[in-house]
Amino acid sequence: GAVVSQHPSRVICKSGTSVKIECRSLDFQATTMFWYRQFPKQSLMLMATSNEGSKATYEQGVEKDKFLINHASLTLSTLTVTSAHPEDSSFYICSARDRVLNTGELFFGEGSRLTVL
Amino acid sequence: GDSVTQMEGPVTLSEEAFLTINCTYTATGYPSLFWYVQYPGEGLQLLLKATKADDKGSNKGFEATYRKETTSFHLEKGSVQVSDSAVYFCAWGGANSKLTFGKGITLSVRP
Repeated sequence: GAVVSQHPSRVICKSGTSVKIECRSLDFQATTMFWYRQFPKQSLMLMATSNEGSKATYEQGVEKDKFLINHASLTLSTLTVTSAHPEDSSFYICSARDRVLNTGELFFGEGSRLTVL
Repeated sequence: GDSVTQMEGPVTLSEEAFLTINCTYTATGYPSLFWYVQYPGEGLQLLLKATKADDKGSNKGFEATYRKETTSFHLEKGSVQVSDSAVYFCAWGGANSKLTFGKGITLSVRP
């Protein structure tokens, strides 16, 4: 089946630094990738939709200057948390849609646990 | 607006008990419906899906039927195992739209 890989799986950083999380589709091409943030008590919040070769579409309330998304190729999207603060600590999950399957199904990465000290 | 409503959790069952997790959706058109599962410390995995009305998705003993008349996609399993302990998310979406997720429900299965 389709595999999405996220890296790093865990990252700890100091307040004020920037952190980049990569999301790769390993065996399929993804014109669209989605970035989610998962809060305690498990609810998923869609942050943005990343489209290959164009600007990301951010959900209401998500700061695009703080959460930079780049989707430079059909297999890679990156999320950069700029000037991270402790309140940005969370579990970030990416997902991708296979451009060929066209069923609406999303394939998820393993998630990245960010801890900001 | 468009939404997914899951029953409140958490749910705790004994091994071999019957499981039902309710899910109803509000959407325009005829979306595809999904159940995703998240094991501790991991990302989400697709458990099963149904792409049109009356379809039944099934996997690992779990089943769910796409009921258009009741806009529901309830998840069932006849005999749960300890290894089924996880968080379960119901979701719907079209081929070219984002997925809308329910809040998720934690299932704990006791030996």
